[in-house]
Formats: sequence, structure tokens, C-alpha cells
Amino acid sequence: DAGVTQSPTHLIKTRGQQVTLRCSPKSGHDTVSWYQQALGQGPQFIFQYYEEEERQRGNFPDRFSGHQFPNYSSELNVNALLLGDSALYLCASSRGGRTRETQYFGPGTRLLVL
Amino acid sequence: SQQGEEDPQALSIQEGENATMNCSYKTSINNLQWYRQNSGRGLVHLILIRSNEREKHSGRLRVTLDTSKKSSSLLITASRAADTASYFCATDPLSGYSTLTFGKGTMLLVSP
Repeated sequence: DAGVTQSPTHLIKTRGQQVTLRCSPKSGHDTVSWYQQALGQGPQFIFQYYEEEERQRGNFPDRFSGHQFPNYSSELNVNALLLGDSALYLCASSRGGRTRETQYFGPGTRLLVL
Repeated sequence: SQQGEEDPQALSIQEGENATMNCSYKTSINNLQWYRQNSGRGLVHLILIRSNEREKHSGRLRVTLDTSKKSSSLLITASRAADTASYFCATDPLSGYSTLTFGKGTMLLVSP
């Protein structure tokens, strides 16, 4: 049973560019959440997708957008990259039912913006 | 924004010793979870404790939760060099959807 997978593992971009990160959830999970982790900090919630819709969003600008596909996989898009967007981007999956259950994290994508 | 605050920020112990990390938070929660992170990679889930639970065990891990004080502690007994990692507490809010708010973490170094 594969866990949460993310691609790519590393990415280098320049300011102003756009980037797309991908996530495949754990088998049986239908909810995907994205987190940004700056160096030396804890992860910060970006947004959560369920049934192909963004159902909750953290304090991030509109430059951050996402998508969830019918197979529950998800993409995170960041436009007009800033140096401050350099971070580890983590995807977490869970079951979106009424009970609150463990969120399982992928290995992350490390983004460096130059 | 960070809700939880872990204490201490860093902890250095010898193999075989116990390690205790504390977490404080600000709002009402449904549950609190502890995660481990090695070398800035993905987070590994350790344990989940619900707001109506006071203590939970998993192998060498013991977690306590005091909702009146809005605090939790993680105890790792008989630590090993492989326990060297950063440890984060994350709170799941009482209302709304299940989204986690993390603290800044405790960096644990276990020396052989």
C-alpha cells in the first residue's frame, strides 16, 4: 500500500516564474491538504481539497492555487514566485468523513526560488 | 500563524535517557497530534490524542493532554540515536474542517 507521494522532490525556479507541485494521496483517502514549511519553522496550512473543491484556506495569497482530480490526486500552483516562497511543500492526505483522523504526509517538495 | 509552542526548542540527551517535550496551544481542539521529521523531510505521524483523552501510549511513546491548561507532553523512553529528529505538535480545531496548526518544533539530539 503506497503512502502519500509527491513530485518532484526538488525544484529550482527564478523570481516571477510559476510552479506546479503534485501529490497522490494514500489509498482510500479522499482529502488532500497542502502545507508550506519554511526553514526552521513548523508547517503552515495552505488549503484543503475535498470532492474536487477547495473547502478551507489558510492565510496565503491568491498566487497559491490548487486543484483536485477525480482520482483524488492534487496539484499546488504558485504564480509570480517570490524569494520568500522558498520552502518545503508538504502534502497530507486523510479521509474526509465526520471523524477526524490522522493526516499522513508525503516526503515533500523542496522549492528554491532564486 | 503558529498556534502551538514547543518547549524546549532543542534537547540533547544520551542514549537510554528519557526525553520530554512540551506543547502549549491557544484554542479549543478536537485532537492533538505529534509528528517526527528527519532532516527536513516528510512528517511521520507518531500519535493522536483526542480532547476527551488524558493519556495515550504507543511503544516507547507516552503522550499526555491537559485541555484545562491547553498543553500536551510527549515522553520518549529509553531513547536511541535513531530518535534524533525534530518533533512537532499539531492541533486539530474543535470546529470547522480538520486542518492542522503546528508549533515550531523541538529538535532532539540523542548521542550514542
